[in-house]
Amino acid sequence: DAKTTQPPSMDCAEGRAANLPCNHSTISGNEYVYWYRQIHSQGPQYIIHGLKNNETNEMASLIITEDRKSSTLILPHATLRDTAVYYCIVRVAVNNAGNMLTFGGGTRLMVKP
Amino acid sequence: DGGITQSPKYLFRKEGQNVTLSCEQNLNHDAMYWYRQDPGQGLRLIYYSQIVNDFQKGDIAEGYSVSREKKESFPLTVTSAQKNPTAFYLCASMKIWKGTHTGELFFGEGSRLTVL
Repeated sequence: DAKTTQPPSMDCAEGRAANLPCNHSTISGNEYVYWYRQIHSQGPQYIIHGLKNNETNEMASLIITEDRKSSTLILPHATLRDTAVYYCIVRVAVNNAGNMLTFGGGTRLMVKP
Repeated sequence: DGGITQSPKYLFRKEGQNVTLSCEQNLNHDAMYWYRQDPGQGLRLIYYSQIVNDFQKGDIAEGYSVSREKKESFPLTVTSAQKNPTAFYLCASMKIWKGTHTGELFFGEGSRLTVL
């Protein structure tokens, strides 16, 4: 699987957009980009995923560069409840022997009043 | 409501004792996973199972054992052979559809094990 690189921490003002970057320069053509977040002492929560096109759901938007070597997760109006660790993961969506997601260190987002 | 239930939420164990963590899901998901998380760290995969009566070792399986006798259940036993078992343990499941998966893992609330 392609390795991802994320900044260890970021701050964001409440009500402003939070833009979380992820570098995945070795991503393969059949690998998806997934984003999860983990609020303190809870299990991670799925946010969004994409392959090539930008994606949007009720939680966030995912912007993937044309060369697919990096992506940005956007929380349009961050709230205090968005304070969490955000994980960027790349994985092929096929049922093979290694059918699991690998969670690295992630980005610790602190939303401040 | 559908989801994943882990129990117990907190567990204390003396050194040398085995302990079993429960994980039950009613999502009708085929794949189930156990992860370990240490303070300030990411998640590391212990074991996973894609079908009943079959499971595979993850990155840190030593000192752990699992079973998958039912689709809904995937208990994890932390044995006395695990040298540093104090950690936060997370169980997850994923739907596999026609040989592919969405990549959406559903997690339980976790079990925090402390060895005294």
